[in-house]
Amino acid sequence: DGGITQSPKYLFRKEGQNVTLSCEQNLNHDAMYWYRQDPGQGLRLIYYSQIVNDFQKGDIAEGYSVSREKKESFPLTVTSAQKNPTAFYLCASSPKEGPGPRSNQPQHFGDGTRLSIL
Amino acid sequence: AQSVTQLDSQVPVFEEAPVELRCNYSSSVSVYLFWYVQYPNQGLQLLLKYLSGSTLVKGINGFEAEFNKSQTSFHLRKPSVHISDTAEYFCAVRTSGAGSYQLTFGKGTKLSVIP
Repeated sequence: DGGITQSPKYLFRKEGQNVTLSCEQNLNHDAMYWYRQDPGQGLRLIYYSQIVNDFQKGDIAEGYSVSREKKESFPLTVTSAQKNPTAFYLCASSPKEGPGPRSNQPQHFGDGTRLSIL
Repeated sequence: AQSVTQLDSQVPVFEEAPVELRCNYSSSVSVYLFWYVQYPNQGLQLLLKYLSGSTLVKGINGFEAEFNKSQTSFHLRKPSVHISDTAEYFCAVRTSGAGSYQLTFGKGTKLSVIP
C-alpha cells in the first residue's frame, strides 16, 4: 500500500546536537510538508517543498533545515539552534499544487516522530 | 491570510449521544475546508472535505459537516458517538486559487467519549 513513512518513531537529542528526521513517501506526490505539533497549539508549518531541489520556509522555520534531493524523500534536520525542539513532528505529502482538479487533494500524513531532549 | 478557530479545546460526551465540534474560519477569498482526526501517537486522517457544491458533506465513520458561508463555519457532527471516536479533531482551511498550497489548522478539539 502507498503511504508515508516517518522514522524513527521516537528520537532523543542531546545539547548542541543536530538530529535528522526521515520522511519517505511512495504516493508519487510532488509536494511535501513538515509540521510541528505541540499540545494545544495545533499544527504549525516548518518547511514545505513543491518540487525536487526547491523548498520554502513555513511559519516556524528557524532552527530547522530541509533538503529535497529526491521526490520521495524530504528529511528534516533539527539543529542546535532550535532551543525548544521537544515536540511531535509530522510529515505530509499531497499532489502537485496549482490549478486543476487535483489541486484540491488533501494532504496525507505519516505517523509522526516524537522528539525529546536528553 | 486565512485562520481557523476551534471554539472548544475539549468536549466530553456520553456514548451514543450526539456531538458537534465547532469550527469557524476567516478568509478573504473562497475556501476549501477539511476535518482531520488524530488518534494518540498517530498522524492525521482525513474525515471529510468541502470543496464546492452541497453544503452538507458526509465523511467516514458516520461524521458529517455543514458549510455555512454567511456564518463562516464548518461544524462537525455525529448523531451517536462510540468509544472509538475518542480522539483529537482538527479543522483546516486551504485558500483556493492558483499557487495556494498550505493548510492552516485550528488548534484542535479533544473529544472524549464516556462509557
